[in-house]
This record gives sequence, structure tokens and C-alpha cells, in this order.
Amino acid sequence: QKEVEQNSGPLSVPEGAIASLNCTYSDRGSQSFFWYRQYSGKSPELIMFIYSNGDKEDGRFTAQLNKASQYVSLLIRDSQPSDSATYLCAVSGGSYIPTFGRGTSLIVHP
Amino acid sequence: DAGVIQSPRHEVTEMGQEVTLRCKPISGHDYLFWYRQTMMRGLELLIYFNNNVPIDDSGMPEDRFSAKMPNASFSTLKIQPSEPRDSAVYFCASQRRTGGWNQPQHFGDGTRLSIL
Repeated sequence: QKEVEQNSGPLSVPEGAIASLNCTYSDRGSQSFFWYRQYSGKSPELIMFIYSNGDKEDGRFTAQLNKASQYVSLLIRDSQPSDSATYLCAVSGGSYIPTFGRGTSLIVHP
Repeated sequence: DAGVIQSPRHEVTEMGQEVTLRCKPISGHDYLFWYRQTMMRGLELLIYFNNNVPIDDSGMPEDRFSAKMPNASFSTLKIQPSEPRDSAVYFCASQRRTGGWNQPQHFGDGTRLSIL
């Protein structure tokens, strides 16, 4: 069974700090990796995706992928209170159907 | 472009009643997914369709649950009879496949279902 593991948190960081969210996955054949943000009472929205080993940057967000270690992370620089949400990691392989983690709750306090 | 549209946004009904949730995917998307989200179990995939055909319904919890996609722009998820443990937020998502690369899913706003 394909598994995607995330620490449920909450992860609490001060405003302006770097928030680091981590995700591990069990299927070595996984090819695509997504990070979704979900505000309380709202639907998941895509914020980052990565396909290749290494880093991918988009504004304040950086996704990092290490396929050898089966590990993907999301860094949020200059964290803002508006970043407070649950972050879902999703991983997909040959079937293209993603498996979602349970999510990590992030709290950015002023 | 309009996103994935779900209705109703909220549904409160009594145990034993039939519940029908509706979804309109993004035009041109050829995959449609139904998810259920609870605090206890997170986001669970119930069923997904490709070009209106159900591909995998192994996540449907019981025979009380059924889903249809009569055309490319409409899908329903039905619970009959409903039970209090079905209370959850139900999301519909759609996805477009392109050349070999996996595209992300786009989620609707969800239906918050409460069974009394």
C-alpha cells in the first residue's frame, strides 16, 4: 500500500522565520510530487509541484525533492500569519493518481 | 475559467435519508475524483472517473455509496441510506492529463455533510 507520511504538527514558527514542512513516501516509483495548502473550512489549493531531484523555487516557497531518500519538503521563507494553514503533500506514480498525506498544520504567530 | 463547482455547499439531513452531492468539473478535464475528508482519516479517495467511466471505486466505503458520471460535465455521489458516520466534507476534484507529465488536481469548494 502506498503511503505518504507527514508530521501532523502543529508546527509553530514566528513571523518572518523559515517554516520547513516534511513528507516521506513509500513508493519508489513515485514520479510527481505536489504541495497543497488548505485553510480551515476551505478546499485544498495547489501551491507547488516538483518532478525532478533538487530544489524548485517559486516566490517565498521552495520545494525540495530527494528521490533516493524518498523525501520531499516545502520551505516557506519570511513566513506570514496568512501562511497559517494545513499543508498536504501528495505523491503520484505511474497511475498518475495521487496519494495524499494527512497534512501538517502550520501556525505563524506575530 | 470557472473552477470545479460543487453543490450543495452544506447539507444537513436525518439518518436514513438519501443524499445526493453534485459536481461540475473544469471543462476539458478528463479525470474526476470524489474525496471524503474527516479529522480522523484525512483526505480519502472514494472513486475516480476517466472520460466518464468509473475506473476505481475501491475507496467507496459501502454499498450505500454510489457515484455516476453521465457526461463530461456532471457527476453525482449518492448515499442511501445515510448514517451519522457519513458526516464529513466531500470534495470533488478534476484533472487534465497532458503529454506524460502529471497535472495537479483542482478541487471544488466541497460539500459539508451532517447526518443527524
